[in-house]
Amino acid sequence: GEDVEQSLFLSVREGDSSVINCTYTDSSSTYLYWYKQEPGAGLQLLTYIFSNMDMKQDQRLTVLLNKKDKHLSLRIADTQTGDSAIYFCAASNFNKFYFGSGTKLNVKP
Amino acid sequence: DTEVTQTPKHLVMGMTNKKSLKCEQHMGHRAMYWYKQKAKKPPELMFVYSYEKLSINESVPSRFSPECPNSSLLNLHLHALQPEDSALYLCASSPKVGESSGANVLTFGAGSRLTVL
Repeated sequence: GEDVEQSLFLSVREGDSSVINCTYTDSSSTYLYWYKQEPGAGLQLLTYIFSNMDMKQDQRLTVLLNKKDKHLSLRIADTQTGDSAIYFCAASNFNKFYFGSGTKLNVKP
Repeated sequence: DTEVTQTPKHLVMGMTNKKSLKCEQHMGHRAMYWYKQKAKKPPELMFVYSYEKLSINESVPSRFSPECPNSSLLNLHLHALQPEDSALYLCASSPKVGESSGANVLTFGAGSRLTVL
């Protein structure tokens, strides 16, 4: 199966940019996704990128994809305390979605 | 309706009990999923139903038994569980099967937190 890896923690100050990184192993993954999980809740889709794209911007979110290195990043501009959560990247292969271990983002006021 | 609803939110059961987790969606989604999430870990795929038929079973022990009575409902029947099965069980659905015509976005429920004593 697919191996998806992320760093476990990130701490930033309110108003700064946050960058969460992810690597994956299966080059045949068609789409790559970012999900957010708040305590005690399910996962909420933030954005996704098609594997043939390099970049996708969606309001405060920017996704960068380096397909050659199988590296994905999520940049959150002007990070707010409400952005504190766990962020999961996911790679998909048909109906199987493989999730990274999650990056816990802590936003300090 | 854009939600996946899971019941119960919390369940405590003994190792000899039989219980069920329920999941419902009314978005017309054609695939439904069960994931298991232990604390501080990513969700792990257990089962996928595509067009109401079981299409993926990730070698899950038989003490977990999925059922898809119709296109809106997904159940997970639990019997003779072990304490290590305690986890958050997440149900998800997606509009289609596969990604041949675009991204296949999962919509997750809030989960059922299971404790096995």
